[in-house]
Amino acid sequence: GAGVSQSPRYKVAKRGQDVALRCDPISGHVSLFWYQQALGQGPEFLTYFQNEAQLDKSGLPSDRFFAERPEGSVSTLKIQRTQQEDSAVYLCASSSRSRLGYISTDTQYFGPGTRLTVL
Amino acid sequence: AQKVTQAQTEISVVEKEDVTLDCVYETRDTTYYLFWYKQPPSGELVFLIRRNSFDEQNEISGRYSWNFQKSTSSFNFTITASQVVDSAVYFCASPSLIKAAGNKLTFGGGTRVLVKP
Repeated sequence: GAGVSQSPRYKVAKRGQDVALRCDPISGHVSLFWYQQALGQGPEFLTYFQNEAQLDKSGLPSDRFFAERPEGSVSTLKIQRTQQEDSAVYLCASSSRSRLGYISTDTQYFGPGTRLTVL
Repeated sequence: AQKVTQAQTEISVVEKEDVTLDCVYETRDTTYYLFWYKQPPSGELVFLIRRNSFDEQNEISGRYSWNFQKSTSSFNFTITASQVVDSAVYFCASPSLIKAAGNKLTFGGGTRVLVKP
């Protein structure tokens, strides 16, 4: 597709439910990022993939958060046993990277986000 | 950059006024990059500009211009002759250049711009 897409756009979950958020990056983009944006704040980094390899997951707030990108394209962010503090917008971004290990400062292009509300 | 600060939380202007958004960064890197993104009410972050620390010239794109000042560690953004469609939250951001971290972005807190007709 032309840009990064995310689904669903909105998700309401009851506390304790598991949720799965999907990200389709720009075709051919090697790098994929997840960010969490609380209301009224800037996005904060969660995790980073280069192809299918998760190279940095230092921003995941707890072991209830899990992300995968098994084929190096589509990614899923899963939150288990959701809590009210998980309510936020989850943003996905992708960027190109020429080869493994190369430090790229290519622009990250963001999807529309998934707004998660945990009741 | 290790830290990005946007001191202005909200700016309100009347259409056609100019508005300048401040961004101050802290970094230990000799080479670094800075970005501005726009987040309209729809929620999607829209890329506006990427600036390298070694660029000499300031950028202008239509009604948008950016002023990069190494001496004050600032990368300010000006909208000239603002329009209602400029109403959005604007974020300044900078990537980490730590190899294993890719180029994860550190964002400022954002400045909400409200342009009134």
